[in-house]
Amino acid sequence: RKEVEQDPGPFNVPEGATVAFNCTYSNSASQSFFWYRQDCRKEPKLLMSVYSSGNEDGRFTAQLNRASQYISLLIRDSKLSDSATYLCVVTFSGGYNKLIFGAGTRLAVHP
Amino acid sequence: DAGITQSPRHKVTETGTPVTLRCHQTENHRYMYWYRQDPGHGLRLIHYSYGVKDTDKGEVSDGYSVSRSKTEDFLLTLESATSSQTSVYFCAISETDPEYYNEQFFGPGTRLTVL
Repeated sequence: RKEVEQDPGPFNVPEGATVAFNCTYSNSASQSFFWYRQDCRKEPKLLMSVYSSGNEDGRFTAQLNRASQYISLLIRDSKLSDSATYLCVVTFSGGYNKLIFGAGTRLAVHP
Repeated sequence: DAGITQSPRHKVTETGTPVTLRCHQTENHRYMYWYRQDPGHGLRLIHYSYGVKDTDKGEVSDGYSVSRSKTEDFLLTLESATSSQTSVYFCAISETDPEYYNEQFFGPGTRLTVL
């Protein structure tokens, strides 16, 4: 079983739609959680951190469920510019503090 | 954007040849990392550095070595390239330990093809 699992998609949605992604992680000792965004053939960039209480940044809402070991990302009012791959990232101490990346969920927003 | 550059950006080489990739940062961050990204896999850590001359192995370190003689430079060497090392390589930096919600900043990547 992979340490961090994501549905690869693609999620094809029209502009204005609401879309949600989930990500599950296997290590209950995981400590920090993030969503990164990666545009095609570009480097990943931090979209938002995910805190225990949940957090929101404009149209984006992230939630953490430690009991079920998953995090989620909700995007409201999708824009064409939201088309990208969204990477779930989890950290835990495994000999060294490391980030484990999911393989990503691809989102395609169409007019 | 964080000041991270990678060189070369693209390279095609032949099996058995040595290859060195360079990562250069202008942020004076302590931690530096090398990842590889392959289809169907998340980014996987090859090696990382937590200071000058302080390096350690990641989860996919076989066939790779690294060196860090200056804060700003982190070199990744493929001693004898193999086709399985065809990948996109990303360098990343972070100011402090990544465990505690500290962001990693990524370089633009190097596309390496081993024929």
